[in-house]
Amino acid sequence: DARVTQTPRHKVTEMGQEVTMRCQPILGHNTVFWYRQTMMQGLELLAYFRNRAPLDDSGMPKDRFSAEMPDATLATLKIQPSEPRDSAVYFCASGTPGRDYEQYFGPGTRLTVT
Amino acid sequence: EDKVVQSPLSLVVHEGDTVTLNCSYEVTNFRSLLWYKQEKKAPTFLFMLTSSGIEKKSGRLSSILDKKELFSILNITATQTGDSAIYLCAVTSFQGGSEKLVFGKGTKLTVNP
Repeated sequence: DARVTQTPRHKVTEMGQEVTMRCQPILGHNTVFWYRQTMMQGLELLAYFRNRAPLDDSGMPKDRFSAEMPDATLATLKIQPSEPRDSAVYFCASGTPGRDYEQYFGPGTRLTVT
Repeated sequence: EDKVVQSPLSLVVHEGDTVTLNCSYEVTNFRSLLWYKQEKKAPTFLFMLTSSGIEKKSGRLSSILDKKELFSILNITATQTGDSAIYLCAVTSFQGGSEKLVFGKGTKLTVNP
């Protein structure tokens, strides 16, 4: 049963600390998306990759957020330094070639920054 | 600025009722409209619509797109308690050399037994 995995599932950290979230897309999927979900803003696209190349990261605050795909089986989202307003659930999703938006979402990382 | 507006924000019905969820949008260079269902955890994909007037159907769920009036509806017939979820609409567009994806805030559907 192929699925997207994300680690950690929960993270509590203090303001100013670095946070790294990891995602393993479904094998064979070539598009990876990072989202943030909050009650106030809903689901927001932060960045996405196709064939490991970043296609759009305009939804991401560039001064503190960075997203990478070091290889086809790993995507990372890093926040440095973290702030309380970054508290949210961060989802990773992957899509099949030619059907990018029929995405499969991971379980999410619930981040709390105190 | 791209906008995706869903209505109603929340809806409470009884099992067996039929519901219609709405999604209107304003984007530049529209490409597709997507519907997702989010229960307790992550969203799951329902439909992708690219052409006007062609209904997509999956069991009791169906959806149609009107590109002239810039909206889509998601219908659920004979609702069941398992249909309780947040239904998210998203629109993709092509702008500035890259694809954009914008989500609406969702419609929270509660189906009571």
